[in-house]
Amino acid sequence: QVQLQQWGAGLLKPSETLSQTCAVYGGSFSDYYWSWIRQPPGKGLEWIGEVNHNGATNYNPSLKSRVTISVDTSKNQFSLKLRSLTAADTAVYYCARGRGARGDLIGVYLDYWGQGTLVTVSS
Amino acid sequence: DIQMTQSPSSLSASIGDRVTITCRASQTISTYLNWYQHEPGKAPKLLIYAASILQSGVPSRFSGGGSGTAFTLTISSLQPGDFATYYCQQSYSAPPRTFGQGTKVEIK
Repeated sequence: QVQLQQWGAGLLKPSETLSQTCAVYGGSFSDYYWSWIRQPPGKGLEWIGEVNHNGATNYNPSLKSRVTISVDTSKNQFSLKLRSLTAADTAVYYCARGRGARGDLIGVYLDYWGQGTLVTVSS
Repeated sequence: DIQMTQSPSSLSASIGDRVTITCRASQTISTYLNWYQHEPGKAPKLLIYAASILQSGVPSRFSGGGSGTAFTLTISSLQPGDFATYYCQQSYSAPPRTFGQGTKVEIK
């Protein structure tokens, strides 16, 4: 059974850097896209980006200048850093596993999710 | 970026009702379309991928259809645990893997 467990600071100040980590238990760490998604209060889901086991990344263009997603295959973990925070970054942040039948970027679906972490940005 | 538009944004329905949610893509995405269910305080749950393939463990009252730019999610007989927000997501082009804005299904 695959489980994703995430953690990170929940209260940050404007201009600080958000740091979240997601540990993967069970299943292979290879052949998947390890993803981050967020949901601001009262709004919908927003895809942040993803990394594969080789460290190749894809980012949402709207966040690309502030985001870094990295992977530590020795620990089966992946991480999110989001810099220069503002109140608009207040959201529940989720990690998830992206799986696709084709082995490329097309057709990827998010089949396992972490429990979510509320991150509040406030002075 | 490919834009995803869901309709309606919300709906009220009763237990046992048949419910259909529509998702439209701003350009053709073949059948690269996923559906998720999101209950408050929980992680989103994958229901359907590749437009019509039911994820393992998902009840058969959920079904998906469509191709190109127009897609549907149907719940054949609404059950108490189905009151949630539903999101479509395109998986044809990345980045970004865009979601629809969501459809909230409420109890009438």
